Amino acid sequence: KNEVEQSPQNLTAQEGEFITINCSYSVGISALHWLQQHPGGGIVSLFMLSSGKKKHGRLIATINIQEKHSSLHITASHPRDSAVYICAAPLVDSGTSYGKLTFGQGTILTVHP
Amino acid sequence: NAGVTQTPKFQVLKTGQSMTLQCAQDMNHNSMYWYRQDPGMGLRLIYYSASEGTTDKGEVPNGYNVSRLNKREFSLRLESAAPSQTSVYFCASSLPTGAPTEAFFGQGTRLTVV
Repeated sequence: KNEVEQSPQNLTAQEGEFITINCSYSVGISALHWLQQHPGGGIVSLFMLSSGKKKHGRLIATINIQEKHSSLHITASHPRDSAVYICAAPLVDSGTSYGKLTFGQGTILTVHP
Repeated sequence: NAGVTQTPKFQVLKTGQSMTLQCAQDMNHNSMYWYRQDPGMGLRLIYYSASEGTTDKGEVPNGYNVSRLNKREFSLRLESAAPSQTSVYFCASSLPTGAPTEAFFGQGTRLTVV
């Protein structure tokens, strides 16, 4: 069973700061997901990436397959970015059910005005 | 764009009561999943259905049953609720292909068993 570890568990920032959340995993994976969950809310998929880098607005996700590491960056952070950010990877026995995911514990991000 | 819809959003049960959590998706996805989310533990897979007519156990299936009613709907049943089943439950769906695909999640069901 692959494991996914995130750091930090809690992160507090001032509005405008550059934020980095890290995710490492123990076995080879086919892809890695970054998800966002607002307090009391549902889970939204931000990125799914297998290699390199993806960008969407102020969010950037990178992955280094050889080092088994991924990062989520938020540029010019804003209070509305306050949420839990979760990385997840398909289970090693997922077959074609790529939604069978193993999750990190999440990073609680709070951005103050 | 409904995506994945879960009902109910909130529920309080007494120990020993039963209930069914409903999930429906309108994206024509083959695969559907039920996860539970507990503080400090991340989400864990309860059951999944790779396609209509099939279901399989995940990491934490004890105390639960599922039914894949049709391609759209995947329900989770608690036959005799226990306080340890207090959690937030998420349904998800994905379209199986030859490569990893995005998973879509519902808004969650917040269940308290007293």
